Amino acid sequence: GAGVSQSPSNKVTEKGKDVELRCDPISGHTALYWYRQSLGQGLEFLIYFQGNSAPDKSGLPSDRFSAERTGGSVSTLTIQRTQQEDSAVYLCASSPQPGGYNEQFFGPGTRLTVL
Amino acid sequence: QKEVEQDPGPLSVPEGAIVSLNCTYSNSAFQYFMWYRQYSRKGPELLMYTYSSGNKEDGRFTAQVDKSSKYISLFIRDSQPSDSATYLCAMSMNTGFQKLVFGTGTRLLVSP
Repeated sequence: GAGVSQSPSNKVTEKGKDVELRCDPISGHTALYWYRQSLGQGLEFLIYFQGNSAPDKSGLPSDRFSAERTGGSVSTLTIQRTQQEDSAVYLCASSPQPGGYNEQFFGPGTRLTVL
Repeated sequence: QKEVEQDPGPLSVPEGAIVSLNCTYSNSAFQYFMWYRQYSRKGPELLMYTYSSGNKEDGRFTAQVDKSSKYISLFIRDSQPSDSATYLCAMSMNTGFQKLVFGTGTRLLVSP
């Protein structure tokens, strides 16, 4: 069956430009998560969606980062005025429900390079 | 200091060896403990998860959690070259949703 998909797989941009990263979760999964994986760092939590609402945005590193989810499905992570320190792999995960333990299924990630 | 500490490696072993991977953590509120495997340029995939303390076995893999020491381990028996990957430990609290806190990952290389 189809897993979590992300696009683009790679994105190279210039410092100061805006970028949009897309995540298509597994159909029927209500919970969606964004993480960032930087070189030498573990995955860092960015934001969590339950349906279309985001009860926890505590991991977003600055107000240049925002995310939305529409129709309880696709999510977009937007980074405005990109900086070189934003270079990382951005990973999206989805799970069937938020409560208790539910496996998070990860997409392949978007590798962002800011020149 | 990070909430979850993990030796980045690389850890190099010959095929057939027993591999021990470990993480320590500082937050006693963690209740769920997971091990993910990540191949190069791929997303992490769940290997095993454990709730609270104890051991769990799945084929060649055994996960152990010692909450009193805040220490978790993953053992791989009869390691294979296909096990070469980065292994990430992850943890979460027993709250309304699963905000995972990850270690940095240990890179494992199994040589034929």
